[in-house]
Amino acid sequence: GESVGLHLPTLSVQEGDNSIINCAYSNSASDYFIWYKQESGKGPQFIIDIRSNMDKRQGQRVTVLLNKTVKHLSLQIAATQPGDSAVYFCAENPSGGYNKLIFGAGTRLAVHP
Amino acid sequence: KAGVTQTPRYLIKTRGQQVTLSCSPISGHRSVSWYQQTPGQGLQFLFEYFSETQRNKGNFPGRFSGRQFSNSRSEMNVSTLELGDSALYLCASSFEQVDGYTFGSGTRLTVV
Repeated sequence: GESVGLHLPTLSVQEGDNSIINCAYSNSASDYFIWYKQESGKGPQFIIDIRSNMDKRQGQRVTVLLNKTVKHLSLQIAATQPGDSAVYFCAENPSGGYNKLIFGAGTRLAVHP
Repeated sequence: KAGVTQTPRYLIKTRGQQVTLSCSPISGHRSVSWYQQTPGQGLQFLFEYFSETQRNKGNFPGRFSGRQFSNSRSEMNVSTLELGDSALYLCASSFEQVDGYTFGSGTRLTVV
């Protein structure tokens, strides 16, 4: 399959553990943030989003935290499963940037049984 | 409902040639964006079209161009291909705003 990123930082976790993936974003004017999951051979898949007027949002097994003071996003995955193994990207939408997204470099999550 | 469809799935071209990639958005979506993904540079924004008008453009040379048709389908063209243009080209669509953005599976372009 295609390689998404040959030299991405990797987070290795045991099945059932919680995972935390971090991301620093670049533009203090960004007002919308998204986490994507990308599996080999596929396009990025939406996981969860958050607007800049919030600092936390929860979904099914996932939570996103936003710290605007230090321009930091994190994605927490509860009870990580082998199917969660993929590359995870954060993306920011600059205010006034229409539908332009600026992506982070990505983190590879490896889940071991 | 059908997702974002990109064709072809794989493409091999020779340096100096040109290439056209196609993207069919989700039915009803009017915004189509294109991204280039490489191992070295990651995901980079190329351009966005909305109702046949380019609304935003990334920092790519003029060899990269696109257009959107009245049915919202979009094409991107790369002229005078270089080895460095080898990448996965991704298309994403949404109704209007960036929330609801859905990506296709991409076209893998290899320039030899």
